[in-house]
Amino acid sequence: SQQGEEDPQALSIQEGENATMNCSYKTSINNLQWYRQNSGRGLVHLILIRSNEREKHSGRLRVTLDTSKKSSSLLITASRAADTASYFCATDGGGATNKLIFGTGTLLAVQP
Amino acid sequence: DTAVSQTPKYLVTQMGNDKSIKCEQNLGHDTMYWYKQDSKKFLKIMFSYNNKELIINETVPNRFSPKSPDKAHLNLHINSLELGDSAVYFCASSQDTGFQPQHFGDGTRLSIL
Repeated sequence: SQQGEEDPQALSIQEGENATMNCSYKTSINNLQWYRQNSGRGLVHLILIRSNEREKHSGRLRVTLDTSKKSSSLLITASRAADTASYFCATDGGGATNKLIFGTGTLLAVQP
Repeated sequence: DTAVSQTPKYLVTQMGNDKSIKCEQNLGHDTMYWYKQDSKKFLKIMFSYNNKELIINETVPNRFSPKSPDKAHLNLHINSLELGDSAVYFCASSQDTGFQPQHFGDGTRLSIL
């Protein structure tokens, strides 16, 4: 299976703390994306990082990519209760189409 | 002014029935997708259309038939529903077939009795 894996499966932190989620994948990629899914809702795109990039920032989010280790991490700084959600990484599998291959997801709970 | 909208939000039906899920996007995107999310939250692509043409078909049983009447709509018809079809089905769209963010609908929760 091409499916990526995320670690940890679940994470519980206090508001104000940082949260780090890791993603490992199996094939070469063109880009890697991170998505958030609130309970009962669709996925929302957070960040796209291309295979020739090592780090990208967006607000309180920081994503790193290590293609030699086939891994990525998502850091959320100064977390808020509203950050409570599932977080998924997704790759394109190195193919020519924009077919997303999702990881298993990390369920983040931020306690107020 | 929802970007990607799916109907219905919930669908409860008996095994063996035929049902359809509709999806519309008002983003002016060329490419649309159907994903299936199982009870363990595993998301898998099923189909993708670009400008009404099928470009991805991921070994989905042929009981599932997508239809794209125009590039803003992608419907999913499922024949002879089985218990294993119970899942949340998500529609998504992207600007084109390049490597870009995808915009997702809120899903259709299909429950087979």
